[in-house]
Amino acid sequence: AQSVTQLGSHVSVSEGALVLLRCNYSSSVPPYLFWYVQYPNQGLQLLLKYTSAATLVKGINGFEAEFKKSETSFHLTKPSAHMSDAAEYFCAVSDRGDQAGTALIFGKGTTLSVSS
Amino acid sequence: KAGVTQTPRYLIKTRGQQVTLSCSPISGHRSVSWYQQTPGQGLQFLFEYFSETQRNKGNFPGRFSGRQFSNSRSEMNVSTLELGDSALYLCASSLELAGNYEQYFGPGTRLTVT
Repeated sequence: AQSVTQLGSHVSVSEGALVLLRCNYSSSVPPYLFWYVQYPNQGLQLLLKYTSAATLVKGINGFEAEFKKSETSFHLTKPSAHMSDAAEYFCAVSDRGDQAGTALIFGKGTTLSVSS
Repeated sequence: KAGVTQTPRYLIKTRGQQVTLSCSPISGHRSVSWYQQTPGQGLQFLFEYFSETQRNKGNFPGRFSGRQFSNSRSEMNVSTLELGDSALYLCASSLELAGNYEQYFGPGTRLTVT
């Protein structure tokens, strides 16, 4: 069965600093992986997705993630944090691996705080 | 193009009652999935409908049910509400074309059971 683990429930950075949010996955088949962001009182917004086309995936708002099969990781990064990046971030895997199944399995989420 | 819409946005119900939540997917999307989000359990998959048929189901009791209409709009129903059903219920739609399976989420319905 597929699963994801997000390391660190809270991450705090200063404005302008590097953002690194960690996600490790477990999958018996090549996975479809996603990062979503949730702002208070809102739904989830897709940041980026990995679908085996390229290991370095660029998303919206300056975020990117690198798929590392050897480490079973899909960490999310942004070179310079903005105050507007403060939100909760979720890593997710498709429940059917590379078939991009119909159910997403989410990590517990990481709350990102950005201080000025 | 309009996004996924959910109604109502907020709902307060009493234990034992039933509730129906509605979701309108993005135009052209035929897959609709439902998720429950709580502080304790996080985001959990409820079920998914495609072309009016339930195609996938999560591990929730039978009190949770859903359906999809011919225009792809979906409803979910929770009967005999319990306090633990208080949650944010999120609906997501997907285009389901080869190589394009990402899900787009609505703003959610916040259900409070008292």
